[in-house]
Amino acid sequence: AQSVTQLDSHVSVSEGTPVLLRCNYSSSYSPSLFWYVQHPNKGLQLLLKYTSAATLVKGINGFEAEFKKSETSFHLTKPSAHMSDAAEYFCVVSQGGYQKVTFGTGTKLQVIP
Amino acid sequence: GAVVSQHPSRVICKSGTSVKIECRSLDFQATTMFWYRQFPKQSLMLMATSNEGSKATYEQGVEKDKFLINHASLTLSTLTVTSAHPEDSSFYICSARDSGGLAGRTDTQYFGPGTRLTVL
Repeated sequence: AQSVTQLDSHVSVSEGTPVLLRCNYSSSYSPSLFWYVQHPNKGLQLLLKYTSAATLVKGINGFEAEFKKSETSFHLTKPSAHMSDAAEYFCVVSQGGYQKVTFGTGTKLQVIP
Repeated sequence: GAVVSQHPSRVICKSGTSVKIECRSLDFQATTMFWYRQFPKQSLMLMATSNEGSKATYEQGVEKDKFLINHASLTLSTLTVTSAHPEDSSFYICSARDSGGLAGRTDTQYFGPGTRLTVL
């Protein structure tokens, strides 16, 4: 069984300040973990993924996430928020291979000018 | 690489009609595609797993006779909403898993841009 919890439904930051979106997971096996971003009325775009290689994963648009097995976390960070980062972010867990994925409930990021 | 398209992007139909949505993997082959439904301000709900050349696997509570899925080729899956009603209005998103075997790609789902269905 697997599950994922996004601890914040809304996060608001000022432009130029750091972003932290939290995600905790549970999985019976070594998981694959993903972060996707969704802009309004759009599909999902893959930001980054962890699949048992380096624990610090760098993605697109300056985002990165660190896999911490001891804390069962995969938090998404960015040093400096940009207005274009305002969107919905989904943390996703998979038990690898051809397994189904499980979505978190999403975190809406608001960036204040 | 790993581009998935959906057509149409937006459709408005009358109650009782059927609507077909296409999902295509443009630059890779996908033996497995997924269909999701997303209600406003909510996460994605998996409806069914579409397998090339075989019957789709539906999630609990999803009517297979209402949401017909066909995955006739390695690059195309279709979802047909039959006898649509206003409660079927939603944002439908497909995803495809790269089955070409490239390292690091087979466990990743690539999403289409979504189809907004409005049933009047």
